[in-house]
Amino acid sequence: AQSVAQPEDQVNVAEGNPLTVKCTYSVSGNPYLFWYVQYPNRGLQFLLKYITGDNLVKGSYGFEAEFNKSQTSFHLKKPSALVSDSALYFCAVRDGVSRGVNTDKLIFGTGTRLQVFP
Amino acid sequence: DTGVSQNPRHKITKRGQNVTFRCDPISEHNRLYWYRQTLGQGPEFLTYFQNEAQLEKSRLLSDRFSAERPKGSFSTLEIQRTEQGDSAMYLCASSAHSYEQYFGPGTRLTVT
Repeated sequence: AQSVAQPEDQVNVAEGNPLTVKCTYSVSGNPYLFWYVQYPNRGLQFLLKYITGDNLVKGSYGFEAEFNKSQTSFHLKKPSALVSDSALYFCAVRDGVSRGVNTDKLIFGTGTRLQVFP
Repeated sequence: DTGVSQNPRHKITKRGQNVTFRCDPISEHNRLYWYRQTLGQGPEFLTYFQNEAQLEKSRLLSDRFSAERPKGSFSTLEIQRTEQGDSAMYLCASSAHSYEQYFGPGTRLTVT
C-alpha cells in the first residue's frame, strides 16, 4: 500500500532562514507526490506536485520540493522563511490502483506544523 | 469565487440525529472526493466520484454514511444516527484529471 511519512511533528525556524519540511514515501510504481498547506480552520491549499521530469519542483509562494528516488524522499523547502508561512503542511501520495479501481485518492501524512519566528 | 464550496461550514448536532453536507466542486471538474480530518491527523479518504458514478468507498465509511452526486455536479454526504466519533472536519475536493485536487473550506461537525 502507498504511504507517506512526515517524521517531524513541528519545525521551528527564524524568519529569513531557509526551511525544510521532510517527507518520505513508500509506493509501488511511479510516485505522484504532492504538498498541501492548511491554515487554521481552512481547507487544504495545493502547493506543488511531482509527477515526472525534473527532480526539483517549484510551487506556490516560493516553495519548492526535491524528489529523491534513491532516498524515497520529497522534502519541501523554501530559501527564506516568512512569518506568514506558519501553518500545517501535509505531504501526500496518489494511491493509483486500489481493489481494481483506478483511483486518484490521496494518502496523506500526519502533517508537520511549521512555526516561523520573527 | 470559482473554488470548491461547502455548506454548512459548521454543524452542531445531537447524537442520533441525521446530518447532510453539500459540496459544490469547481464547475469543469468531473472528479469529486470526500475526506475526513480529525484533530492532529491528515485527511483520510472516504469516497470518490467520477461524474455521477461513485467508484470507490473507503472501509472507513460505515453503513450510516452515504454520498451522492446526482447529474455529476454537486455532491451530498449524509450521516445517519450520528455518533460522537463522527465529530471531525469533512473536506470535499475536486479535480479535472489525475493530478492535483482542490479542496473546499470543509464542514466542521460536532456531535454532542
